[in-house]
Amino acid sequence: GENVEQHPSTLSVQEGDSAVIKCTYSDSASNYFPWYKQELGKRPQLIIDIRSNVGEKKDQRIAVTLNKTAKHFSLHITETQPEDSAVYFCAASPQGAQKLVFGQGTRLTINP
Amino acid sequence: DAGVIQSPRHEVTEMGQEVTLRCKPISGHDYLFWYRQTMMRGLELLIYFNNNVPIDDSGMPEDRFSAKMPNASFSTLKIQPSEPRDSAVYFCASSQAGGYAGELFFGEGSRLTVL
Repeated sequence: GENVEQHPSTLSVQEGDSAVIKCTYSDSASNYFPWYKQELGKRPQLIIDIRSNVGEKKDQRIAVTLNKTAKHFSLHITETQPEDSAVYFCAASPQGAQKLVFGQGTRLTINP
Repeated sequence: DAGVIQSPRHEVTEMGQEVTLRCKPISGHDYLFWYRQTMMRGLELLIYFNNNVPIDDSGMPEDRFSAKMPNASFSTLKIQPSEPRDSAVYFCASSQAGGYAGELFFGEGSRLTVL
């Protein structure tokens, strides 16, 4: 079955700097790759997603890139702000299976 | 819509007791998912339903866990008997089109502590 690896597990950056979180997946047939943000004590919420027919997608300060050949995708956050501090999860959806397999999560801390 | 509603929000019980977690998905959503979150294992998919029918229960840890969805607006996850290693946050989520095509909407979670 699908396996998603996420790195790093923790990340600390200065406010205003950029943050990058990387994920790899095992099933080459997976075709949907969302990112979820979970603030402390809250539920995970979708922040951006990308499908396998697209290489990059951007929404204001966040962007996601996908490399199907290498089977990896990344989340980029620019001009980080304190409210970006949270746990971020990547996920992959195997083709033909209506489910999401999540990575282990990255705890991002923005230092003022 | 009020979103996905889970109860209880917190449950503390003793080893060996039965635990029942409840979920009301968003009206009109065809898919319902149960996830378990722990520090060690992250977000694990336990089981998911489509139109009230279980589709994939390969993530259910063992026979102590069972899940039902008797109708489109209600699902339960039961643990019997509970063990300390079951302590985790259990999330229910629903989706209109399935995980591969659209957004999962999570409930607030049920934090279970088994002593």
